[in-house]
Amino acid sequence: DAKTTQPPSMDCAEGRAANLPCNHSTISGNEYVYWYRQIHSQGPQYIIHGLKNNETNEMASLIITEDRKSSTLILPHATLRDTAVYYCIVSPQGQDSNYQLIWGAGTKLIIKP
Amino acid sequence: NAGVTQTPKFQVLKTGQSMTLQCAQDMNHNSMYWYRQDPGMGLRLIYYSASEGTTDKGEVPNGYNVSRLNKREFSLRLESAAPSQTSVYFCASSGSNYGYTFGSGTRLTVV
Repeated sequence: DAKTTQPPSMDCAEGRAANLPCNHSTISGNEYVYWYRQIHSQGPQYIIHGLKNNETNEMASLIITEDRKSSTLILPHATLRDTAVYYCIVSPQGQDSNYQLIWGAGTKLIIKP
Repeated sequence: NAGVTQTPKFQVLKTGQSMTLQCAQDMNHNSMYWYRQDPGMGLRLIYYSASEGTTDKGEVPNGYNVSRLNKREFSLRLESAAPSQTSVYFCASSGSNYGYTFGSGTRLTVV
């Protein structure tokens, strides 16, 4: 079973901020939170990751609650090209380990004009 | 462009036929992975290779074999294809703390 819980689908208006929630209540102290997205059956694309501090890069921001049991991925100005399935995954000590990532069904985000 | 290259992109096999899916990365990554994705599902790990010369089973290894030919290449072989192996196959590599890089996938149909 996936170690994260995400809503199956969400809508967002183009140009608005898209906020995608993820629950990971059983996260361990050494586990990072990673976000990926998959656009129309292409290979998944890495977005961002964090341990306990909020993170921002050119694609998105990641907000992790103080107890680390949940997080939110924020796409600040969503465009139609952001329509995709978004996966939240927890993984210990970075992903260059022998840990088997468990991928859930993700959240299908639909950006509407 | 740097990244992960998979071949072929599409394949149709008859039940019982064999084939090898090829994957190569040019990012000097140590770890490589093979996943399968069934319709509406997340990815499931078939096999992975943490470094050149090592391979390990993932969640769904039955019916597959792999070879880490060198640091760049990681192949997946189906010895006797079955309809249950109809899926999209993704190869990925990782070498840092900045996430996996995935290939564009191989769409396999077994009839």
